Amino acid sequence: DQQVKQNSPSLSVQEGRISILNCDYTNSMFDYFLWYKKYPAEGPTFLISISSIKDKNEDGRFTVFLNKSAKHLSLHIVPSQPGDSAVYFCALSKTSYDKVIFGPGTSLSVIP
Amino acid sequence: NAGVTQTPKFQVLKTGQSMTLQCAQDMNHNSMYWYRQDPGMGLRLIYYSASEGTTDKGEVPNGYNVSRLNKREFSLRLESAAPSQTSVYFCASSAQGYEQYFGPGTRLTVT
Repeated sequence: DQQVKQNSPSLSVQEGRISILNCDYTNSMFDYFLWYKKYPAEGPTFLISISSIKDKNEDGRFTVFLNKSAKHLSLHIVPSQPGDSAVYFCALSKTSYDKVIFGPGTSLSVIP
Repeated sequence: NAGVTQTPKFQVLKTGQSMTLQCAQDMNHNSMYWYRQDPGMGLRLIYYSASEGTTDKGEVPNGYNVSRLNKREFSLRLESAAPSQTSVYFCASSAQGYEQYFGPGTRLTVT
């Protein structure tokens, strides 16, 4: 049974609009929530994180929101750019030193 | 500074053959990981090494073995390849757990 779910396998957004990628998890013991980005034929790269004591973290065009009671996090990209087209993995960790569990990914296409 | 390197980039094996996937990092990281990526499954942890001299099983270790040769190198061995091991394999390293740096991957096909 998957502990991390990304229910949208793909998402298509117009350039300049907002992209919202969603992630749900089942185990309330996770304290660190991450997003990784992956381009074709490359390894994933770390994008942004949030700890359980916060509900929002911003880094430029990227904002991650955490709703612990709903066991839900989301990644907002504003404004979306064609270079953002990639697969985005939600990932969780129980501590900052623990293993990371990845979701199945959402493929984002930003249309010029 | 190459980061994390993996060899080979591509490999085709016949069922029952063996091979070793090599991984090296030059960032002086303590922890290293092997993942496999399959469609719709995300990245699943095969084995990891929290520090030189230690290795632990991840989510899907069956059919694989690992060696942490030194702080830089972490290899993954398939003793008797099976078609179910057709996948893309990623090696990663980290100084602290959750921010991991990934290699470019090895695409393995087992026929």
